[in-house]
Amino acid sequence: SQQGEEDPQALSIQEGENATMNCSYKTSINNLQWYRQNSGRGLVHLILIRSNEREKHSGRLRVTLDTSKKSSSLLITASRAADTASYFCALGAGKSTFGDGTTLTVKP
Amino acid sequence: DTEVTQTPKHLVMGMTNKKSLKCEQHMGHRAMYWYKQKAKKPPELMFVYSYEKLSINESVPSRFSPECPNSSLLNLHLHALQPEDSALYLCASRTQQGAVGEQYFGPGTRLTVT
Repeated sequence: SQQGEEDPQALSIQEGENATMNCSYKTSINNLQWYRQNSGRGLVHLILIRSNEREKHSGRLRVTLDTSKKSSSLLITASRAADTASYFCALGAGKSTFGDGTTLTVKP
Repeated sequence: DTEVTQTPKHLVMGMTNKKSLKCEQHMGHRAMYWYKQKAKKPPELMFVYSYEKLSINESVPSRFSPECPNSSLLNLHLHALQPEDSALYLCASRTQQGAVGEQYFGPGTRLTVT
């Protein structure tokens, strides 16, 4: 199985600002998923984007997928302190493996 | 009910103890997963069960023994663990192993081996 690589590793912003994190991968995928994990808790699924989709929205979240560049980005708009968490991309369907994640800190 | 439950929430065990972690889901999912997560690291896949049969074992030491007694339950039996096995153990489920869809995660069991 393959693993996504995420950057930045850590991101610190002020409340109200936008946060962008990226995931790159090496081989073909049929879908990519983003998850959030609050400290010491289980992961929560945010968005799934299929390989034939370029962009998806869910509330303040926007995910893009560029299969030619083998990369995806997660944009959180108008961030809140409650968005402080680690964000992971996951590739594949049968055996999802997770990237190292981006730790986002939103300061009030 | 879109919840995956895990018990216990916390577990402290000695290296000679035998204990079990339990995971339960009632969403009719036929794929269930165990992950191990160390601090500041991503979850690492340990086992996958598909239709109650072990589908993937990621070369996990035999001191970890998974069991899937029915389609709703997943256990992880622990024996003779080492301090380095201390971690957050996460259970997850999905409709089917090969399905395009999200995994639903439980809150995890925080395991400390002394």
